[in-house]
Amino acid sequence: GAVVSQHPSWVICKSGTSVKIECRSLDFQATTMFWYRQFPKQSLMLMATSNEGSKATYEQGVEKDKFLINHASLTLSTLTVTSAHPEDSSFYICSARRTGTGGGGGNSPLHFGNGTRLTVT
Amino acid sequence: SQQGEEDPQALSIQEGENATMNCSYKTSINNLQWYRQNSGRGLVHLILIRSNEREKHSGRLRVTLDTSKKSSSLLITASRAADTASYFCATVYSNSGYALNFGKGTSLLVTP
Repeated sequence: GAVVSQHPSWVICKSGTSVKIECRSLDFQATTMFWYRQFPKQSLMLMATSNEGSKATYEQGVEKDKFLINHASLTLSTLTVTSAHPEDSSFYICSARRTGTGGGGGNSPLHFGNGTRLTVT
Repeated sequence: SQQGEEDPQALSIQEGENATMNCSYKTSINNLQWYRQNSGRGLVHLILIRSNEREKHSGRLRVTLDTSKKSSSLLITASRAADTASYFCATVYSNSGYALNFGKGTSLLVTP
C-alpha cells in the first residue's frame, strides 16, 4: 500500500510555456502533500507544502506565482510551472503522508512519486 | 537549509562487503528517517528510528542513533549490486506540515 503516482515522468517544453505535474495518492488519503526539487547529484529541496482545500505554504525563495500548487482533493495535488525558463529544468518530486499519521512530530514516513524530469528548451 | 549531512559523499565497495553511511544533524528531533533513491527515481523509505531508540534493524539494514552527538549511521550488511543507489537521512522540518528535510546523501556503488 501507500502508492504515490506522479505524472508525467518526463516532459520537454519550450521557454514561456506552462507545465502541469500531477501527484496522486492511489490507495490512501493525503491531507498534506509536499513538492521537492532536486538538481543533479544534489539533495532534495522542499519547495512547498500542499494543503487540501487551502493555500499552499511555500518555502523561502520559492516564487508562488511561478510554481502554482493546487490540492483540490484528498488524493490529488498539482504543480504548475508557469512561464517556464531553462533554469526551471530540474527533477520535481512529490510526496505524501497518510492522513492521520502525521501527528506527534511526523512519526511516519513519506511516500514518494517517481518524479518528473522537466527540461525547458 | 539542509539539516543533515551525510558522509561519505560517495562510497564504492564490492558485493558481500558492508557499507556504512553516517549522518549528522543540527536540531533536536522526534525521529530520523533513512531513504534510498535509485537514479532518476523517487525515494523509498527504509527505516524510521525514534529519538528514544538507539538501534533498529530491518533485514540487512541496521540504523543507530546517538542524540547526544546528533548523529546516525546506516549499515548495509552483505551488500549486493542491487543496493547501488543514493541514501539520504532526513529529519522533520519544524513546520506544521511535518515535511522532511534531507541531507546531501551518500552515493553507494556496489560492484559485482
